[in-house]
Amino acid sequence: DTGVSQNPRHKITKRGQNVTFRCDPISEHNRLYWYRQTLGQGPEFLTYFQNEAQLEKSRLLSDRFSAERPKGSFSTLEIQRTEQGDSAMYLCASSPGTGGTGKLFFGSGTQLSVL
Amino acid sequence: AQTVTQSQPEMSVQEAETVTLSCTYDTSESDYYLFWYKQPPSRQMILVIRQEAYKQQNATENRFSVNFQKAAKSFSLKISDSQLGDAAMYFCAYRSAYAGGTSYGKLTFGQGTILTVHP
Repeated sequence: DTGVSQNPRHKITKRGQNVTFRCDPISEHNRLYWYRQTLGQGPEFLTYFQNEAQLEKSRLLSDRFSAERPKGSFSTLEIQRTEQGDSAMYLCASSPGTGGTGKLFFGSGTQLSVL
Repeated sequence: AQTVTQSQPEMSVQEAETVTLSCTYDTSESDYYLFWYKQPPSRQMILVIRQEAYKQQNATENRFSVNFQKAAKSFSLKISDSQLGDAAMYFCAYRSAYAGGTSYGKLTFGQGTILTVHP
């Protein structure tokens, strides 16, 4: 399978704990995006990488959130001191660089539940 | 900033019939992409159809077609011969086409429309 892979699929944690999610994009894609989606809503942009550089961060991304993409390959999204409001589906997507069709390829997401 | 609005929270259609989902957007850009994504209960986002703003011809993918009205900033999705497998949440999305900008590639989504297909 050469699609976007996200792990874990589900994560249940207690309030105040730290969690980390991983995203493996399609190998030749140099752009990687994180989105957050709450039930019944459209995905909201969180952050974007081109290779290893984090080029944009949404105001939704508080100081408790940090994302990395070492060596421009996989990416991790960490949430520190989780709150119940962090409960959501976290989606990762990737796309080629310039010259692509504009299409983003999405992973299956990580569903976070904060108790 | 761009915004995308889907004014129909829910729609329903009988199997084999046709349904149209509405989407409007707001932008000051002249070159962009518009998409319809489908999200079934598995929550995997699946691309349904894509339209490039500089193309006047409406995109078509098998049973799915769009009505793109650039001046009106409207982008509706028509599903013909609806099937039970079409039941899902449908999202309209906007993406700038200006390469090199820091927001290049970022999708802005609408709120979604839940489509129910009745047998």
